[in-house]
Amino acid sequence: DAKTTQPPSMDCAEGRAANLPCNHSTISGNEYVYWYRQIHSQGPQYIIHGLKNNETNEMASLIITEDRKSSTLILPHATLRDTAVYYCIVRGTGNQFYFGTGTSLTVIP
Amino acid sequence: DAGVIQSPRHEVTEMGQEVTLRCKPISGHNSLFWYRQTMMRGLELLIYFNNNVPIDDSGMPEDRFSAKMPNASFSTLKIQPSEPRDSAVYFCASSHGQPSPLHFGNGTRLTVT
Repeated sequence: DAKTTQPPSMDCAEGRAANLPCNHSTISGNEYVYWYRQIHSQGPQYIIHGLKNNETNEMASLIITEDRKSSTLILPHATLRDTAVYYCIVRGTGNQFYFGTGTSLTVIP
Repeated sequence: DAGVIQSPRHEVTEMGQEVTLRCKPISGHNSLFWYRQTMMRGLELLIYFNNNVPIDDSGMPEDRFSAKMPNASFSTLKIQPSEPRDSAVYFCASSHGQPSPLHFGNGTRLTVT
């Protein structure tokens, strides 16, 4: 199963776009990339997922590079409520779903 | 849709006691996952089920831990006997299978004294 690498922390000004990177250089062709976030000790919240194409929903956009070795989660207009730990996950073909250490995003007023 | 329901929300018990955590997955989901979260180790996958059958329990830390899924709408995670190092937040999640995402419950915070 592919491993992911994320920066441990990032800051973003309120109202600006937050761009969270993730490297997954060993990803296989049929493995999806998922993004979750966790606020305090609440259960992880699903944000978005994708395979090859860029994806957008009401929460965020997901940009996956053509070689699929990295991706970026974009929160277009960050608010204070977006302060959380963000996890990038590559789902194994056996349905395993492993979390890494994530990126702690702080949105600054 | 009520989401994934876990009970209890909080559990405080003494070392050596048996602890049972419960999970009701989202109706129609055929995969269920148990996770443990601590500050030191982050979110760890303990075990997951497909169609009520345990597929991978390699994350279960010791024989003291056991999980069952007797039917599609209920699962338990049991610790017997419990130890202080088992103190953590335990999450249950369910999914409709790949590539549908996992949906998490609010967790059970376990404290073993």
